[in-house]
Amino acid sequence: AQKVTQAQTEISVVEKEDVTLDCVYETRDTTYYLFWYKQPPSGELVFLIRRNSFDEQNEISGRYSWNFQKSTSSFNFTITASQVVDSAVYFCALSEPGGSNYKLTFGKGTLLTVNP
Amino acid sequence: GAGVSQTPSNKVTEKGKYVELRCDPISGHTALYWYRQSLGQGPEFLIYFQGTGAADDSGLPNDRFFAVRPEGSVSTLKIQRTERGDSAVYLCASSPLSRGVDYGYTFGSGTRLTVV
Repeated sequence: AQKVTQAQTEISVVEKEDVTLDCVYETRDTTYYLFWYKQPPSGELVFLIRRNSFDEQNEISGRYSWNFQKSTSSFNFTITASQVVDSAVYFCALSEPGGSNYKLTFGKGTLLTVNP
Repeated sequence: GAGVSQTPSNKVTEKGKYVELRCDPISGHTALYWYRQSLGQGPEFLIYFQGTGAADDSGLPNDRFFAVRPEGSVSTLKIQRTERGDSAVYLCASSPLSRGVDYGYTFGSGTRLTVV
């Protein structure tokens, strides 16, 4: 069975600090996908990034960066120079191919609060 | 429409009543997913439609829950004899094809259901 663990329930930082959100996953498949979503107070889930299990290259997109390590089953997310607008709940998710249905298994989320 | 639309945004109902939640996906998106998000938790998969048919309903918690998508576009999630434990935010997502991992899922803002 697949499982996603986000050990940090809440994180509070001051603006311009760097912050890393942890994600550890469990799966028996060799082919899978990992995601990060942002959920602002409006409630809509906003897609941030997708990685497949064969691509362990780290990725940087503006202030966001992701560190994928298969050896430790982790897919951590770092926000550099955080801003108040980054305040949201962040979810890590795992998708395993089950036929044609790529349903997602989400972690419980990390509430990030960036204070001015 | 431009995004996934869910109505109503909020629904309060009495225990034992029947409710319907509507999802209007992005035009042309053939795949549609329903998820349920309880307070403090990540979204949990309920059901997946490919076109008009429910390709995977393994996440529906019991037979009080049912969903339809008669014309392959709008979907309705139906809950009979509601219980207080059904209180949650019900999220809908759509994607152009069944391989949502490649094309990205777009989530709606959800319907917050409160059973009193």
